[in-house]
Amino acid sequence: AQSVSQHNHHVILSEAASLELGCNYSYGGTVNLFWYVQYPGQHLQLLLKYFSGDPLVKGIKGFEAEFIKSKFSFNLRKPSVQWSDTAEYFCAVSGGGYNKLIFGAGTRLAVHP
Amino acid sequence: GAVVSQHPSWVICKSGTSVKIECRSLDFQATTMFWYRQFPKQSLMLMATSNEGSKATYEQGVEKDKFLINHASLTLSTLTVTSAHPEDSSFYICSAQRGAGEQFFGPGTRLTVL
Repeated sequence: AQSVSQHNHHVILSEAASLELGCNYSYGGTVNLFWYVQYPGQHLQLLLKYFSGDPLVKGIKGFEAEFIKSKFSFNLRKPSVQWSDTAEYFCAVSGGGYNKLIFGAGTRLAVHP
Repeated sequence: GAVVSQHPSWVICKSGTSVKIECRSLDFQATTMFWYRQFPKQSLMLMATSNEGSKATYEQGVEKDKFLINHASLTLSTLTVTSAHPEDSSFYICSAQRGAGEQFFGPGTRLTVL
């Protein structure tokens, strides 16, 4: 069955700390991978995506993610978080472009000043 | 940017009544819209894919007669929860797809059934 697993449900960091959020997926065939962010009171927004090519993907706001096919992983990273990064982060996978996204349970990140 | 709105943002209804939720793409045409359901502290679960001018495609386990979807135009899809019960209480989120590209998400509708 297709699934996405996010290991951390809650992460608390101080400003300037480094961030890595884990995402593993189970999906047969070609996958497209996404990270979405939901800031408090706002709608989901696309942070970055991987379709093909360079497995290290850079997104908005200094975020990046690395696709490791052998580990079925697509972890999200940021070298130095800011208070404004406080949000919920969702990893998602699809088998074809942006269609039929399957989401992970989300990770709630709180960054303290 | 691409903006997707939902109306209402929250609704409270009595058990047995029906509730309609609208999803609009405000500045682009969306051939495809998606409806998701999100339980507290859980992920978004895709309920159905809505294509303009055709019947929606429902995911396994989603009752099509209970969750009626109508995609009447390229900018509007509606989800009607029929004969709502307390277990239907949830956060319903739509997204609109621009062409074959990115899905843009609405702000969600919180439904509470008493």
